Amino acid sequence: DAGITQSPRHKVTETGTPVTLRCHQTENHRYMYWYRQDPGHGLRLIHYSYGVKDTDKGEVSDGYSVSRSKTEDFLLTLESATSSQTSVYFCAIRDRGPTDTQYFGPGTRLTVL
Amino acid sequence: GNSVTQMEGPVTLSEEAFLTINCTYTATGYPSLFWYVQYPGEGLQLLLKATKADDKGSNKGFEATYRKETTSFHLEKGSVQVSDSAVYFCALSDQGGSEKLVFGKGMKLTVNP
Repeated sequence: DAGITQSPRHKVTETGTPVTLRCHQTENHRYMYWYRQDPGHGLRLIHYSYGVKDTDKGEVSDGYSVSRSKTEDFLLTLESATSSQTSVYFCAIRDRGPTDTQYFGPGTRLTVL
Repeated sequence: GNSVTQMEGPVTLSEEAFLTINCTYTATGYPSLFWYVQYPGEGLQLLLKATKADDKGSNKGFEATYRKETTSFHLEKGSVQVSDSAVYFCALSDQGGSEKLVFGKGMKLTVNP
């Protein structure tokens, strides 16, 4: 457990509405990530952050934006949700200690109707 | 670009059977290689990793050896248990450490008593 929480854990919303998912960490890690998990695709990187206000795009960033105004929080926003964004979203942090490993949060299941 | 190809399953085994999950990769340079496991309803957990050729990662009875000549990192366990039922993901990082991970599509394993 790397002290990662995600909120909400489940959300159902309608097409065209904005949605924000929150990732919170308690251990002051510099790197944070947002992934989506879909059947047949494994995990795909949406965006990541390497410091406060420092972010970069991943493999599937279209339709998503992120913000990181403080070390502990990394927000993922769907400006106008679409049904193709129905997925399970995972946040992760990179622990740059001896194991240099990414640790994952419990996930958020998002359904866009 | 970098990619990971792994057996997708699903696979069903009986308790105490031998398990092999194949994973091959394409990458420039010398990637680090990882196996993650996802138990039902949870986020991903690191199972084992290897950072250079011929390294063997091991954990909880699972093993995988980094084979540069065959670009492979196959996961093995000699005797699976019901508690090993999960989805297994192979992943690589080509930037040293775990800064950016590329995942395979995952393989669901069910172990029956």
